[in-house]
Amino acid sequence: VQLLESGGGFVQPGGSLRLSCAASGFSFSNYPMSWVRQAPGKGLECVSVISPGGGTTYYADSVKGRFTFSRDNSKNMLSLQMNSLRAEDTAIYYCAKLITAGGTDYWGQGTVVTVSS
Amino acid sequence: PVLTQSSSASASLGSSVKLTCTLSSGHSSYIIAWHQQQPGKAPRFLMQVEGSGTYNKGSGVPDRFSGSSSGADRYLTISNLQSEDEADYYCETWDTDTRVFGGGTELIVL
Repeated sequence: VQLLESGGGFVQPGGSLRLSCAASGFSFSNYPMSWVRQAPGKGLECVSVISPGGGTTYYADSVKGRFTFSRDNSKNMLSLQMNSLRAEDTAIYYCAKLITAGGTDYWGQGTVVTVSS
Repeated sequence: PVLTQSSSASASLGSSVKLTCTLSSGHSSYIIAWHQQQPGKAPRFLMQVEGSGTYNKGSGVPDRFSGSSSGADRYLTISNLQSEDEADYYCETWDTDTRVFGGGTELIVL
């Protein structure tokens, strides 16, 4: 299993970024996936989860209405569109594979998002 | 659900340590997952632990790592501690429309 995130960077408050995650080594379309972030020196926070088919998504209250999680099963790709970014969104963002009706079993290496003026 | 972990723990090289993750009231039957995060690295899945005490480890996780349960508590035991076991350990659980992590335990190997 390999999960490779990209798209992180530096953005001003109120700006937007689109994160991507390329998945390989497993039957991508059969598994739910998630984005988990970790602010500097802090713990882990699940930002969003998407069902195997992409029809159902979950968002943490902290990002609801600002972030959109999507997947393209034909390309084994995930995307996280992040709008109206705030300083508190500054974190390492990890793409993660979930066990069906279970926990996280694989993690990507992470991509850094910095929101600052 | 809410998961509670001690902020830190310490144990000597070659000894054993048992880390605890406590599920909130009303969620004592939930399955949890344990993850290890070494300094500067991404988290790594260790195992899932059920309320029965059954645990299922991830690929390549050493035999030194085991899991168990008692009531609302889920445990991660590391035997024969090695220097590379010094890391943050997080537990995770989930519900229909939520997924949460504990605050993490920093394990120091003396």
